[in-house]
Amino acid sequence: DAKTTQPPSMDCAEGRAANLPCNHSTISGNEYVYWYRQIHSQGPQYIIHGLKNNETNEMASLIITEDRKSSTLILPHATLRDTAVYYCIVRPILGYQKVTFGTGTKLQVIP
Amino acid sequence: DADVTQTPRNRITKTGKRIMLECSQTKGHDRMYWYRQDPGLGLRLIYYSFDVKDINKGEISDGYSVSRQAQAKFSLSLESAIPNQTALYFCATSDSPDRVPDTQYFGPGTRLTVL
Repeated sequence: DAKTTQPPSMDCAEGRAANLPCNHSTISGNEYVYWYRQIHSQGPQYIIHGLKNNETNEMASLIITEDRKSSTLILPHATLRDTAVYYCIVRPILGYQKVTFGTGTKLQVIP
Repeated sequence: DADVTQTPRNRITKTGKRIMLECSQTKGHDRMYWYRQDPGLGLRLIYYSFDVKDINKGEISDGYSVSRQAQAKFSLSLESAIPNQTALYFCATSDSPDRVPDTQYFGPGTRLTVL
């Protein structure tokens, strides 16, 4: 599976957009980009996923570069409850794959 | 109500005791999973089940067993608990799509401490 690289930590002011980058330069054509987050010691929460087109849901937007080597998760109006560790992972289209997290980005939303 | 529930949420037990962790889901998913999370080691898969009659070992199944009592219920047992099984345990569920990776939804976790 392709590996991902994320900054270890970021700060964001409450109410502003949080833009979390992820590099996945070895991603292959049959792999999706997934984002999860984990608030301290709580269960990981699914956020969004995409293959090559930009995606938006009620939680966030996912912007994938045209070459698919990187992506950005956007939380449009960060709140204090968005403080968490955010994980970017890649998963193949077919076949079973367990969820494996890297080190992620710890996002701190500041009042 | 939460889609994926786990009981108990916290448990302290002693070495050698048998422990059962339970997971229930109302999402109607066929697939269920048990993971443990340890600081610095991330998530590790213990067992997974694609339907009621299907049970598969994950990467760290030794010392654990599971039971899929129904589509909605998947239990994890520690036959004889030992201190290095102290961890956060998560249950997850997913559907079984044909063309995209399955999206796994996690429960709130059980914090298990083995003394």
